[in-house]
Amino acid sequence: DAGVIQSPRHEVTEMGQEVTLRCKPISGHDYLFWYRQTMMRGLELLIYFNNNVPIDDSGMPEDRFSAKMPNASFSTLKIQPSEPRDSAVYFCASSLAPQGKLFFGSGTQLSVL
Amino acid sequence: QKEVEQNSGPLSVPEGAIASLNCTYSDRGSQSFFWYRQYSGKSPELIMFIYSNGDKEDGRFTAQLNKASQYVSLLIRDSQPSDSATYLCAVNERGGSEKLVFGKGTKLTVNP
Repeated sequence: DAGVIQSPRHEVTEMGQEVTLRCKPISGHDYLFWYRQTMMRGLELLIYFNNNVPIDDSGMPEDRFSAKMPNASFSTLKIQPSEPRDSAVYFCASSLAPQGKLFFGSGTQLSVL
Repeated sequence: QKEVEQNSGPLSVPEGAIASLNCTYSDRGSQSFFWYRQYSGKSPELIMFIYSNGDKEDGRFTAQLNKASQYVSLLIRDSQPSDSATYLCAVNERGGSEKLVFGKGTKLTVNP
């Protein structure tokens, strides 16, 4: 398996623009997670899905953030409108029970100018 | 807010020494404990997990768990320069949740 695939690897955008991050989990994994990593706050869980259903979105910082998982092989994280404080590395991860054994994608380095 | 605390380091050890990384957590209901390694500019990768009190060994790595003290540690024996990375402690939330809370990590440098 190719592992968790994220795109794009790098995204540079201007404040106010819409940003869409994409993720393809490992085939057969039934959990998908979106994390954000910054130097100040470390790795923070934004939202996670089980069998394509959002289970916990309490980490989504604001209404500007939304995530979808239309099928078992694809998820998006959208930021609209983007702000400079959204600059971070965004990781997607997937797992198959038992809990906690996450496989991370390569991440998307987002810079909002 | 559930918390996982780690010494940010940097921790520097000579090649061949034992590196000891420590982590404390606030949620007494946590059941599962993980160590992830993250090389600079790369994504985290799982290296150890432990569910029960005591020690668990895997090659040069030993994870230690003390639930009474809410303390998890990772020992790396015969440290190698290739072990230089940031080590992230992760703990699941109460009730067996799939939700992991990560510490901010300890940066380890192994000097040749």
